[in-house]
Formats: sequence, C-alpha cells, structure tokens
Amino acid sequence: DAGITQSPRHKVTETGTPVTLRCHQTENHRYMYWYRQDPGHGLRLIHYSYGVKDTDKGEVSDGYSVSRSKTEDFLLTLESATSSQTSVYFCAISDGPLTHTFGSGTRLTVV
Amino acid sequence: AQSVTQPDIHITVSEGASLELRCNYSYGATPYLFWYVQSPGQGLQLLLKYFSGDTLVQGIKGFEAEFKRSQSSFNLRKPSVHWSDAAEYFCAVGAGNAGNMLTFGGGTRLMVKP
Repeated sequence: DAGITQSPRHKVTETGTPVTLRCHQTENHRYMYWYRQDPGHGLRLIHYSYGVKDTDKGEVSDGYSVSRSKTEDFLLTLESATSSQTSVYFCAISDGPLTHTFGSGTRLTVV
Repeated sequence: AQSVTQPDIHITVSEGASLELRCNYSYGATPYLFWYVQSPGQGLQLLLKYFSGDTLVQGIKGFEAEFKRSQSSFNLRKPSVHWSDAAEYFCAVGAGNAGNMLTFGGGTRLMVKP
C-alpha cells in the first residue's frame, strides 16, 4: 500500500538466529502495529506503538520485541527465531479511529 | 475481551450468484466493525466499516454489510459475484481503546466457479 513499506519481503533464517523486520511509513500516522498471519487464525496482534518510544504488547508477544525511535519506523525483532515463528508478518498504520492500512507483508521461514 | 468468529472457512459460489459471508462478534459495548479482503500474496484492503448510524453500510467493489446488534453479527453481502472477488475475507472488531487495535476472525476463503 502506498505510504507503508515492509522489508524484507521474504526471509529464510535458521533457528536461534536474531531477525529484524522493518516497517516504514510516510503518512506520519501515530499508531503502528505488527500482526502475524497464520492459517485459521486470521491476524493476531504481536505489538503495537502509539508514539515514538511508546509500545505495548499484543496477544502473541512472547519471543518478540519492538522499537520505535522515529515516527516513521517500527522494527520487529525476533531475538532467537524458532520454527513456530514461521509466518507472514504484516505491519499496519492508523491515525485513528481504528482503521488500519496494511503493508504487503513479510514472509518469514525459520528452518 | 472482544472476539470474532467467521463460521465458514471456505465458500464456493458460481460467478453471478449472490454471496453472504458470516461474521459474529463478541464485545460488551458498541463495536467498531470492519471487513477486509486479501488477494493472494497481498496485504489487506479495507472493504467497509461500521462505526455508528445506519446499520447497512456500503463499501467498495459492490459489497455491503449489515450490523445486527441483536444477533451480534456483521455479515458481508454482494448481489452478484465476479471471478475477481476470489480472495480471503476477514472480519474484524475494534474497541476504540487506547491502542486502537483490531481483533480479527480466522477468515473465509472465497472461491468463484466460472
């Protein structure tokens, strides 16, 4: 979607390695989110941010950390990747109320 | 906590036929409701949303949805399906709390027969 980009689009990594996914927005939206998508589960919230340096946990935050040092960037880090973290990761932005704009996703495979 | 159920994992309809995708939510107050569509390999695109007011909302691509509080439902409809509508559809509910986050259903995959 215009105004929000995710990188990388695809990544294969080994179990136990750290991985960082990046979400970049040009919309100056306050809220940014990381979701993971798995078959049958829809999208589940990992972490979200409501401002620079302001973040909070979502439904499935174990094994993930985030950082937001600038309005435009929201990073998701898997400290030590596991096979259960193989998924498609979506970043979203929102300027309220609630309507999300999604990025194109990052497909992560942990082998 | 809010939750969303989409009872149908897969639906197949013939091109030109009508469509209804079911969505049931659980939330204690007036919900904010959304339908998103995801084409293969793509992100999610907003089809329509309900915040308040008229319970029948119109969206893009000829879709509409009706909010029924008594049934805790927000079903998505289209009178005549096109082959390009084949995709996965997600219903979501938001609470309007500090995080402005959404809770999604598991999705319904729509297949369209020629």
